[in-house]
Amino acid sequence: DGGITQSPKYLFRKEGQNVTLSCEQNLNHDAMYWYRQDPGQGLRLIYYSQIVNDFQKGDIAEGYSVSREKKESFPLTVTSAQKNPTAFYLCASNYAVTVDQPQHFGDGTRLSIL
Amino acid sequence: RKEVEQDPGPFNVPEGATVAFNCTYSNSASQSFFWYRQDCRKEPKLLMSVYSSGNEDGRFTAQLNRASQYISLLIRDSKLSDSATYLCVVTNTGKLIFGQGTTLQVKP
Repeated sequence: DGGITQSPKYLFRKEGQNVTLSCEQNLNHDAMYWYRQDPGQGLRLIYYSQIVNDFQKGDIAEGYSVSREKKESFPLTVTSAQKNPTAFYLCASNYAVTVDQPQHFGDGTRLSIL
Repeated sequence: RKEVEQDPGPFNVPEGATVAFNCTYSNSASQSFFWYRQDCRKEPKLLMSVYSSGNEDGRFTAQLNRASQYISLLIRDSKLSDSATYLCVVTNTGKLIFGQGTTLQVKP
């Protein structure tokens, strides 16, 4: 089955710790995205990548980092600089950033502070 | 002002009711428009695209008014299974901009 796989489903972070959220897709999509959703809020764009070895900051990139070493994979690291990391994190993909088509979403990772 | 604005609700309606959600967007350069559905603690899923001429998918009808920068979603004959949050989404150069969502609760 083609789709986007996010792991883990739930993640807990200790103070001062960096954590990495995994996102893998087998849809052969060039564009991948990371969003954050807080309760009762819409999704906000953290980072996006148009192609391998390229990525751009979204609206709320501070405290986060990404890499895109393979087309299929776009991991997100929540660093200790992100002071309010508790949220629902969603990864999405699309054929290309410039194509105004709907994005496909993974089923998300819930991150909480210990 | 938020780029995409929706009435958060909640909208509480009985089964069989017709309900309409509205959404306004501020960027006149927005190119594509969608409604997504998000169930509690789940990822958003595409409900339907919104076309300038208006479009229908079963009990769901979407309308777009570019002059007023306004999008709507009409749900007829509401089912219990329609209970969810409906997200209005617009695009600009490939990036999706999400509204905060409108919550619908359909009661028996």
